Amino acid sequence: GAGVSQTPSNKVTEKGKYVELRCDPISGHTALYWYRQSLGQGPEFLIYFQGTGAADDSGLPNDRFFAVRPEGSVSTLKIQRTERGDSAVYLCASSLYLNTEAFFGQGTRLTVV
Amino acid sequence: DQQVKQNSPSLSVQEGRISILNCDYTNSMFDYFLWYKKYPAEGPTFLISISSIKDKNEDGRFTVFLNKSAKHLSLHIVPSQPGDSAVYFCAASNPGANNLFFGTGTRLTVIP
Repeated sequence: GAGVSQTPSNKVTEKGKYVELRCDPISGHTALYWYRQSLGQGPEFLIYFQGTGAADDSGLPNDRFFAVRPEGSVSTLKIQRTERGDSAVYLCASSLYLNTEAFFGQGTRLTVV
Repeated sequence: DQQVKQNSPSLSVQEGRISILNCDYTNSMFDYFLWYKKYPAEGPTFLISISSIKDKNEDGRFTVFLNKSAKHLSLHIVPSQPGDSAVYFCAASNPGANNLFFGTGTRLTVIP
């Protein structure tokens, strides 16, 4: 597809489990961002990549959260030992270069029960 | 600490009239501001932006105004159309930074 694709669209997991959320950016986009949107809030920055490297991971809430982008395209957000407070919509966005318009995916709704 | 604030959670406007969505920010270092529109079950879509060196930017029916002294920006939509019904997010970024700070959103309903 032409847009940012995120899978799965919905994920329900039990407290304490490990989850992976996937993001396929727009082809050729070098910058990739992860945001988290909790109910009633705006998206909150988690991490962004320029190419394969995490250029800024200052938004990751704690060390249970980790993201990779090994080949500079697809990215995976990994959450260990999930907690109920991790329940949110996780949004991925990509842009051609840094400081250009970012295009968002539809998000993955994570529910931790 | 919420650096970007949208104090109106919802707004209803009659079709054809003007919609005015407001946004306030606390960080005087922000130099770039954006508005995103979000439909249910979709990601936010970029609508319009403005650099801090300007006080107005217009794109068709959409105009963004920036008042730096008041740390306030607004989005004007005129004339409003039913298809404009969505949640609108204001966002801002620091110089040289690439992450955005978002407000909590305003749900606009345009009544036919």
